Amino acid sequence: AQSVTQLGSHVSVSEGALVLLRCNYSSSVPPYLFWYVQYPNQGLQLLLKYTTGATLVKGINGFEAEFKKSETSFHLTKPSAHMSDAAEYFCAVTRGAAGNKLTFGGGTRVLVKP
Amino acid sequence: ETGVTQSPTHLIKTRGQQVTLRCSSQSGHNTVSWYQQALGQGPQFIFQYYREEENGRGNFPPRFSGLQFPNYSSELNVNALELDDSALYLCASSLDTGQEAFFGQGTRLTVV
Repeated sequence: AQSVTQLGSHVSVSEGALVLLRCNYSSSVPPYLFWYVQYPNQGLQLLLKYTTGATLVKGINGFEAEFKKSETSFHLTKPSAHMSDAAEYFCAVTRGAAGNKLTFGGGTRVLVKP
Repeated sequence: ETGVTQSPTHLIKTRGQQVTLRCSSQSGHNTVSWYQQALGQGPQFIFQYYREEENGRGNFPPRFSGLQFPNYSSELNVNALELDDSALYLCASSLDTGQEAFFGQGTRLTVV
């Protein structure tokens, strides 16, 4: 079975500050890992994904994440927060396939202060 | 290119009723997955359809059922609605079972 834990249901950052969202996973097989963003009253948009290869993955809107197998982590970062980054972020894992039958974490809501 | 569309966007049902939610997959996509997102939680996988056949199911009771049509659009049916079924229901389509999933805007179901 797979599971995802996101530490911190809410994160508040100042505009221009570092955004760090934590994600730890559990998987019995090599995982494929994803970060999605959800704006109010909208569906999910893929930010980035890790399947194989380079462990530092760059995504849209300046976000990146690093897969650390030894720590079973896939933390999401952005060097400088923008007001438009205010949203909910979900980490997800799937086994083998690149984006199907996802297991999601509970989400982290990001508030950006001016 | 038309994305994933879901209908209706909102609906309210009474406990015990039945509901059907619809999803039109993105052009060329033969795989549709359904997720339930309760308020304040992450989405949970309900089931997936691939070329009109169920291809995996999450931990949901049999009163949650689905269908995929020859044009790969899909329906989610929920019988005997319970208050806890109130949630955002998300549909995602993909080119194949091993490809990236693209999500629709969701249907907000409220059971009263």
